[in-house]
Amino acid sequence: GAVVSQHPSRVICKSGTSVKIECRSLDFQATTMFWYRQFPKQSLMLMATSNEGSKATYEQGVEKDKFLINHASLTLSTLTVTSAHPEDSSFYICGPADGVTQYFGPGTRLLVL
Amino acid sequence: KNEVEQSPQNLTAQEGEFITINCSYSVGISALHWLQQHPGGGIVSLFMLSSGKKKHGRLIATINIQEKHSSLHITASHPRDSAVYICAVIIGNQFYFGTGTSLTVIP
Repeated sequence: GAVVSQHPSRVICKSGTSVKIECRSLDFQATTMFWYRQFPKQSLMLMATSNEGSKATYEQGVEKDKFLINHASLTLSTLTVTSAHPEDSSFYICGPADGVTQYFGPGTRLLVL
Repeated sequence: KNEVEQSPQNLTAQEGEFITINCSYSVGISALHWLQQHPGGGIVSLFMLSSGKKKHGRLIATINIQEKHSSLHITASHPRDSAVYICAVIIGNQFYFGTGTSLTVIP
C-alpha cells in the first residue's frame, strides 16, 4: 500500500513559537493534499486543501495566515503553525491524494505550552 | 447537521466475538472509507468502497448505495483490534467524517 510519512510525530513547543509539520508521500504523487485537525474525543476536521503548485483553500474558521501550507512538490507538503498558542494543541493529520485514492499520514501531535 | 452518522459510539466486546459497526450518510457519495485510529492517534485506511463488499483478513466492509449505509465487520475479534473506527465519505471533493466508534476487545 501507499506510504505516507509525517514529521515530527510529536512536538512540544512554547507559546509564540512556530512549528513546521512535513508530510511526504513516499511512493506516489500527491496531486492534492488535505490537512486535518483532530481535537481530543472529536472527529477529524478538514482545515485546508491544496493542489501542487497552487495556493491552499482554507475551510471556514481556519486562519490562513496562522496555518501556512506549502505544497511545492508532488511528494512533499508542509503545514506551519505560526505563533502557536495552547488552543492550537491538537493532532494534525495530512491526507495526500493521487487523484484516485485518498491516503492518510500517521499524524503529528502538537502540544503548545 | 451531520452528513455521516456512526453507531455505536462505544463498543466493548469479548475476544472472539463478531463485531459490527454501522455508518449512515445523508447524500450521494463517490466513495466511503473505513479508517482505524489506534491510541496515540495514527490512522490507517482499512477500506475504500464505492459499491459491494471488500474483505481483508478478519475485516469485511459492505456498502449499500441505495440505502446510504455501510457496515464494518470484524470476525473473531482480538484485543489488538481495540481502536477507534471512523467512517468517512467523499461528497463532491470533500471528506466528511463520522464521530468514530471506540472499540475495546477484552481478553
